[in-house]
Amino acid sequence: RKEVEQDPGPFNVPEGATVAFNCTYSNSASQSFFWYRQDCRKEPKLLMSVYSSGNEDGRFTAQLNRASQYISLLIRDSKLSDSATYLCVVNFPGYSSASKIIFGSGTRLSIRP
Amino acid sequence: DADVTQTPRNRITKTGKRIMLECSQTKGHDRMYWYRQDPGLGLRLIYYSFDVKDINKGEISDGYSVSRQAQAKFSLSLESAIPNQTALYFCATSEGSDTQYFGPGTRLTVL
Repeated sequence: RKEVEQDPGPFNVPEGATVAFNCTYSNSASQSFFWYRQDCRKEPKLLMSVYSSGNEDGRFTAQLNRASQYISLLIRDSKLSDSATYLCVVNFPGYSSASKIIFGSGTRLSIRP
Repeated sequence: DADVTQTPRNRITKTGKRIMLECSQTKGHDRMYWYRQDPGLGLRLIYYSFDVKDINKGEISDGYSVSRQAQAKFSLSLESAIPNQTALYFCATSEGSDTQYFGPGTRLTVL
């Protein structure tokens, strides 16, 4: 089983739709969780951190479910500009003084007019 | 100006050649990382450094070496490039185990 697993998609939805995707992680002791966005041929950029209580930033909502070991990202009222690959990132408990940061392979989202 | 820069942005080289990819940052972060990205495999960690005197192997370090010349500079070398090292390479920095900030990437092709 992969340490961090995402549905690769692509998710192809119409503009204005609500779309959600999940990311599962294998280590129950994981501490921190993030969603990054990556546009084609560009570098990943932080979209939002995922807190235990869940968090919302405009049209984006991130949730953490520790019991089932997954995080989710919900995008409401999707825009054409939301088309990108969304990377799930999990911080695993460390070896030595380091945490181990694992990236999922990404979920591709395509918004159509 | 960008906080994390990488040079070169694109490079085509031949099998067996030595190549160095450079990364500089102005964020003042102690931690720096090198990743490669391949289609369908996501980002995989090659090496990371938590300060100038600290270098650690990542998931896929074979065939690569690194040098942390200063807090702001972290370079990645391929001593003898091979075609399966063709990939998109990203440098990143972070403050602690917090958010990572990525450079724009280097597209490397090994013929």
